[in-house]
Amino acid sequence: GESVGLHLPTLSVQEGDNSIINCAYSNSASDYFIWYKQESGKGPQFIIDIRSNMDKRQGQRVTVLLNKTVKHLSLQIAATQPGDSAVYFCAENFQGAQKLVFGQGTRLTINP
Amino acid sequence: EADIYQTPRYLVIGTGKKITLECSQTMGHDKMYWYQQDPGMELHLIHYSYGVNSTEKGDLSSESTVSRIRTEHFPLTLESARPSHTSQYLCASSEAGIGGRETQYFGPGTRLLVL
Repeated sequence: GESVGLHLPTLSVQEGDNSIINCAYSNSASDYFIWYKQESGKGPQFIIDIRSNMDKRQGQRVTVLLNKTVKHLSLQIAATQPGDSAVYFCAENFQGAQKLVFGQGTRLTINP
Repeated sequence: EADIYQTPRYLVIGTGKKITLECSQTMGHDKMYWYQQDPGMELHLIHYSYGVNSTEKGDLSSESTVSRIRTEHFPLTLESARPSHTSQYLCASSEAGIGGRETQYFGPGTRLLVL
């Protein structure tokens, strides 16, 4: 069946550097992807989404890249700040799917 | 920004007690979900609903039950709480989009501790 997984469970970056969080998916039928941010003690918060007809989408300080050839999704955070510390989840969906499929999650920690 | 609420936010309860976790949303969303999550770990879908009077079991077996009598309300009940039920419970809702694609919006969660 389909699955969504993340390459690394933890990622540490220096404050001010750019962060790149990766996600691999196995269902070639997936055509919609979402990144969520979950801070400690809170529910996941929608960050950005992308449809499969796009390779790149930018938001405020965040960029999502989609490589359908290798079924890879990444979230880039520019100029990482302490407030970016959280667990980041990717999720996928496809036409006719009953629900989103969530990945394992990557914990991002910021070093001062 | 989604308006989805969960109560209580924290609950400490003894083994054997019956509890109900409340979830409500004011957006008129058709679909609602319950996830179980240990801190910083994966989300496990335990129940979902496509609309009023519709409930389905999720991917993770759960001893809890749900009901959907009103669109905005999706409570989760544990008839007899056990220490193994200690976890965080997250509620989410979404609109049924084109072709089933959707964005889920989450509540703040209920952190349950069963002694």
